[in-house]
Amino acid sequence: NAGVTQTPKFQVLKTGQSMTLQCAQDMNHNSMYWYRQDPGMGLRLIYYSASEGTTDKGEVPNGYNVSRLNKREFSLRLESAAPSQTSVYFCASSLRGFETQYFGPGTRLLVL
Amino acid sequence: GQQLNQSPQSMFIQEGEDVSMNCTSSSIFNTWLWYKQDPGEGPVLLIALYKAGELTSNGRLTAQFGITRKDSFLNISASIPSDVGIYFCAGRKETSGSRLTFGEGTQLTVNP
Repeated sequence: NAGVTQTPKFQVLKTGQSMTLQCAQDMNHNSMYWYRQDPGMGLRLIYYSASEGTTDKGEVPNGYNVSRLNKREFSLRLESAAPSQTSVYFCASSLRGFETQYFGPGTRLLVL
Repeated sequence: GQQLNQSPQSMFIQEGEDVSMNCTSSSIFNTWLWYKQDPGEGPVLLIALYKAGELTSNGRLTAQFGITRKDSFLNISASIPSDVGIYFCAGRKETSGSRLTFGEGTQLTVNP
């Protein structure tokens, strides 16, 4: 099992460009999450999907959209990137909402 | 905003020393989790705590769920160089469903 995989690993964008971060899990988990990690801030939840077909806002959803494409895949889209979105983005999944979250390796995004 | 206060922010210790870190909040949590993040990787779960007063060990790591349900502690005994990394606490409130709140992290450096 690969666990949680994320693509790309690194990305540089110019302000105003759009991109989609991809996440997939092969553990048959129901719940998936997107976090951003900034220095000294820990991880903050952007959006989550408790189950296939549902998505909900987290703590910092502004400027992002998500799609739960199927049970395996949960994508995060930046429609018009801003320098404030420079961060490391982590995807996570859990079997059910209250169980252990397993994290992917992260995507490092720089917006110029 | 951030609701978990984690301390210390960083620690520099000698190999073989014991380490203590803690997480406090003004809110009550019904689950406490401790994660470790290695450089360039996603967080990995170390210990999960589900009951007030619970004391759980994982090898050289011991964590406790505070009696007031507003704090948690992590101890690492006889530290070794591979303990280097960032340690995060995370809590789940009864009212927050599957969402976790993360502390800011403790950066641990172990000198051989």
